[in-house]
Amino acid sequence: QVQLQQWGAGLLKASETLSLTCAVYGGSFSGYYWSWIRQPPGKGLEWIGEINHSGSTNYNPSLKSRVTISGDTSKKQLSLKLTSVTAADTAVYYCARHCSDENCYAFWGQGTTVSVSS
Amino acid sequence: EIVLTQSPATLSLSPGERATLSCRASQSVISYLAWYQQKPGQAPRLLIYDASNRASGIPARFSGSGSGTDFTLTITSLEPDDFAVYYCHQRSNWPTFGQGTRLEIK
Repeated sequence: QVQLQQWGAGLLKASETLSLTCAVYGGSFSGYYWSWIRQPPGKGLEWIGEINHSGSTNYNPSLKSRVTISGDTSKKQLSLKLTSVTAADTAVYYCARHCSDENCYAFWGQGTTVSVSS
Repeated sequence: EIVLTQSPATLSLSPGERATLSCRASQSVISYLAWYQQKPGQAPRLLIYDASNRASGIPARFSGSGSGTDFTLTITSLEPDDFAVYYCHQRSNWPTFGQGTRLEIK
């Protein structure tokens, strides 16, 4: 069974860079799309961006200037960097593997809570 | 951006009843619509993909229908474990989610 294990700093100060990693166990990294999604406290889900099996990325236009998503096939890891964070970036961050047809998220990480203080 | 509007915001029902949740898209997403269930403190879980296909391990009481702009998630005979928040999601354009429907015990 595919499992996604996430980790990264949970407490940041405004203007710092958020950095998270997601490792894939029990399944392939190559051949799939991967995404990062976040959920502010008490709110809904927001797509941050994705990377495909060729290494091409797409980002939410509202975050594009601050986001970098990368993948390491040899380590089976996905990474997220978000620069110049503010309190508005406080959220639970999830990594997710797309479905085979790419149009849904079949597997999710456990989530990482990131809090940004001013 | 394709906006997904879910209704109702909150649905209060009793175990054994039937739940009907709606998701309306601001423009056609063809059939590229998925549904997720989320419980407190947990990651979302995929229920339905491509509008009407149940994901692996999802009970038959969950079903999805619709195409274009109007979609429905139906849960027949609610069980206590089904009370949660449900989100619809599209990836026809860049990905967006609905705001969620909270299904609560009446």
